[in-house]
Amino acid sequence: DIQMTQSPSAMSASVGDRVTITCRASQGISNYLAWFQQKPGKVPKRLIYAASSLQSGVPSRFSGSGSGTEFTLTISSLQPEDFATYYCLQHNSYVWTFGQGTKVEIK
Amino acid sequence: EVQLVESGGGLVQPGGSLKLSCAASGFTFSGSAMHWVRQASGKGLEWVGRIRSKANSYATAYAASVKGRFTISRDDSKNTAYLQMNSLKTEDTAVYYCTHSSGYYWGQGTLVTVSS
Repeated sequence: DIQMTQSPSAMSASVGDRVTITCRASQGISNYLAWFQQKPGKVPKRLIYAASSLQSGVPSRFSGSGSGTEFTLTISSLQPEDFATYYCLQHNSYVWTFGQGTKVEIK
Repeated sequence: EVQLVESGGGLVQPGGSLKLSCAASGFTFSGSAMHWVRQASGKGLEWVGRIRSKANSYATAYAASVKGRFTISRDDSKNTAYLQMNSLKTEDTAVYYCTHSSGYYWGQGTLVTVSS
């Protein structure tokens, strides 16, 4: 099975900061990688699909990059509504694995 | 509008069984793979398993943590996917979500509590 290692597990940041979250796959997954945002009590929301494609309606401050085994989610300028937990998801071969999550908290 | 509505959650004793349903609308259900994902309180997202379409022989796959205890099925005539959970353990306590294979559409989730 493919394992996803997401880092950091938590971080403190200020409004306006540039934030980078990384996911590493235990084997190559091409670009079968998505990023989700989840707020407490809410359903996960897909931000990025195919590693770097921005979901319609998602602010352009969110971006994704990477291919193969290394992937990055970047928030260019953190906004108050971005404080949440973020997950990567690999979906190679119709079998999914989520990263452990990154909680982005207010500094 | 795409809708996924889970039902069937509740309180069950350890060792018991429960069957969840996921009623779908707004897309071609019969042509879509469907997944189940769960989340224990305060924990991360955990993939449970999936079922593919008839064209892909209704192939199923499961996470190691539930393999042999959980079974996913579907009824395309009812646009509904199911998660049969047997031999439930306290660690199966979670909100269970069904999702479309795209990962874009999610249901609101149904809470399963395994406790004596």
